[in-house]
Amino acid sequence: EPEVTQTPSHQVTQMGQEVILRCVPISNHLYFYWYRQILGQKVEFLVSFYNNEISEKSEIFDDQFSVERPDGSNFTLKIRSTKLEDSAMYFCASKPTYDTEAFFGQGTRLTVV
Amino acid sequence: AQTVTQSQPEMSVQEAETVTLSCTYDTSESDYYLFWYKQPPSRQMILVIRQEAYKQQNATENRFSVNFQKAAKSFSLKISDSQLGDAAMYFCAYRRTQGGSEKLVFGKGTKLTVNP
Repeated sequence: EPEVTQTPSHQVTQMGQEVILRCVPISNHLYFYWYRQILGQKVEFLVSFYNNEISEKSEIFDDQFSVERPDGSNFTLKIRSTKLEDSAMYFCASKPTYDTEAFFGQGTRLTVV
Repeated sequence: AQTVTQSQPEMSVQEAETVTLSCTYDTSESDYYLFWYKQPPSRQMILVIRQEAYKQQNATENRFSVNFQKAAKSFSLKISDSQLGDAAMYFCAYRRTQGGSEKLVFGKGTKLTVNP
């Protein structure tokens, strides 16, 4: 069964460093998302992406964040200068059409020290 | 703004018994989707069941079913014949659409423990 794949599963980074979280969505999917979950809290929307551009972004998704679909298969989330409060589980999700459910990847746990 | 409320931070159930997890939501839309996601200790988000608001019939997936009360804006999940593998966090989610974009709005989750 096709699945959304995220790498790495766990990343530790120093505060102020740049990180790139990678996702390979399911191959025929057209809508892509990043969500995050701070430990013990609810899952929060970060950004949605369709047709090579951002559809919507949350107030969390400030200038430190960016997304890219560099080669038609990968979908990346970049955090330019990480802060301690960026420590969270980051989930990528994708779906084939507008009116279907999203399939989530297994998440990347980001720890900023 | 749409909100999703799960009033039970934790629930427990005996193996083979039935448990119901509550969820209420607030929206002014007439057509929308609701979901229950399961998050086991591995922390992956797994879709359990979905409900389309225009469908009056409650969705069912094997041992999982929902009680969708549109007027009351209630969307509870019933797990029958609970199994040890059902132990997880369960998140209720509302699919919010606006201006051609859409996203999921999640509740805070209910931690389900299944006792042998």
